[in-house]
Amino acid sequence: DGGITQSPKYLFRKEGQNVTLSCEQNLNHDAMYWYRQDPGQGLRLIYYSQIVNDFQKGDIAEGYSVSREKKESFPLTVTSAQKNPTAFYLCASSTFGSGRTDTQYFGPGTRLTVL
Amino acid sequence: DQQVKQNSPSLSVQEGRISILNCDYTNSMFDYFLWYKKYPAEGPTFLISISSIKDKNEDGRFTVFLNKSAKHLSLHIVPSQPGDSAVYFCAASARGSGGSNYKLTFGKGTLLTVNP
Repeated sequence: DGGITQSPKYLFRKEGQNVTLSCEQNLNHDAMYWYRQDPGQGLRLIYYSQIVNDFQKGDIAEGYSVSREKKESFPLTVTSAQKNPTAFYLCASSTFGSGRTDTQYFGPGTRLTVL
Repeated sequence: DQQVKQNSPSLSVQEGRISILNCDYTNSMFDYFLWYKKYPAEGPTFLISISSIKDKNEDGRFTVFLNKSAKHLSLHIVPSQPGDSAVYFCAASARGSGGSNYKLTFGKGTLLTVNP
């Protein structure tokens, strides 16, 4: 089954700790994205990557970091510098280049709660 | 500055009737629009999209209409079913901007409730 997996589903963190959220896709998509969703809000872009070993900041990148060492993986680290880390985090992927489509396909999400 | 706006936070309709969800945008560079459906604690699911060269796209019970002059699009669901109850997000991208902009800009969503 092709798709996007995110783990864990629920994550609890103590204030001041860094935490890494996993995102893996087997769709052979080139581009991957991280969003956060807060209650009553739309999805806001944190980081995106169009190709391995390259990524760009989205609209709300402060307090977050990413890496893209493999095509299928795009982990997100929420650092202690992120002021309001409690949120629902969504990973997505899409095709790129000659096969580009704007349709992004989403994983099931990770609910991060900072205690 | 909210470039994609869904001004109705919620909508309630009866089963079998039409649901109309609206979306307005301000960025004239947007030329591709998508609708996603989202259940609580799950990722959004792609529903339907439309390019700015069209004014209508249909897929089964779902039809999206685009009015470029008004910078307005709408999603029609006919007939509505209880399983359609979810949050619907409108999203837009500017494909034509030199091929470098792949970002989607999302609205805040509209909660649709279809009553049996």
